[in-house]
Amino acid sequence: DTAVSQTPKYLVTQMGNDKSIKCEQNLGHDTMYWYKQDSKKFLKIMFSYNNKELIINETVPNRFSPKSPDKAHLNLHINSLELGDSAVYFCASSHPGGSSYNEQFFGPGTRLTVL
Amino acid sequence: SQKIEQNSEALNIQEGKTATLTCNYTNYSPAYLQWYRQDPGRGPVFLLLIRENEKEKRKERLKVTFDTTLKQSLFHITASQPADSATYLCALALYSSASKIIFGSGTRLSIRP
Repeated sequence: DTAVSQTPKYLVTQMGNDKSIKCEQNLGHDTMYWYKQDSKKFLKIMFSYNNKELIINETVPNRFSPKSPDKAHLNLHINSLELGDSAVYFCASSHPGGSSYNEQFFGPGTRLTVL
Repeated sequence: SQKIEQNSEALNIQEGKTATLTCNYTNYSPAYLQWYRQDPGRGPVFLLLIRENEKEKRKERLKVTFDTTLKQSLFHITASQPADSATYLCALALYSSASKIIFGSGTRLSIRP
């Protein structure tokens, strides 16, 4: 069974469009994240939700809007896509606190290409 | 400014040798440090964690050290194999924000037969 899943795996779209990426985890974790990995492979945190509540919001354009309908799902909606949004987006989940020390479980990634 | 740097973008090692990867940080106070492996086209996978009061941690052929005075972690793979070829990422978890993990840019390790 897949622990953290994302759809779609590939997304090719035109500048100015709006798109969404979905993420689901079946690990029972309370915390979920979105990361962006650019062409230089640098992995940067964008958002984090704990039990459907936003707890981390890095300096991300407000064209990006996360939404957590329940603690097993964290979706990412992007408005007015720009060329610079092209990257691989990873969803992750973890269980901070206790003995787990916030080990991150990553999804397979969504490669977004904006033309 | 705050930085996490991994010693080199790429490292080539002969099979059977020990690979040593370096992670240095400045202006952070990490509670613990993690190492991940990332294969092409896949998400990172957690390997090891070391707390700030631990000097060394081992797991099979992997060894991690953590020197908070030098602000450095070393990641060793002994008896390296071609299957160990991947990108390795270090990541810091801060006292100030338990949920936030900050990643280094990674070192691409290639093990040649």
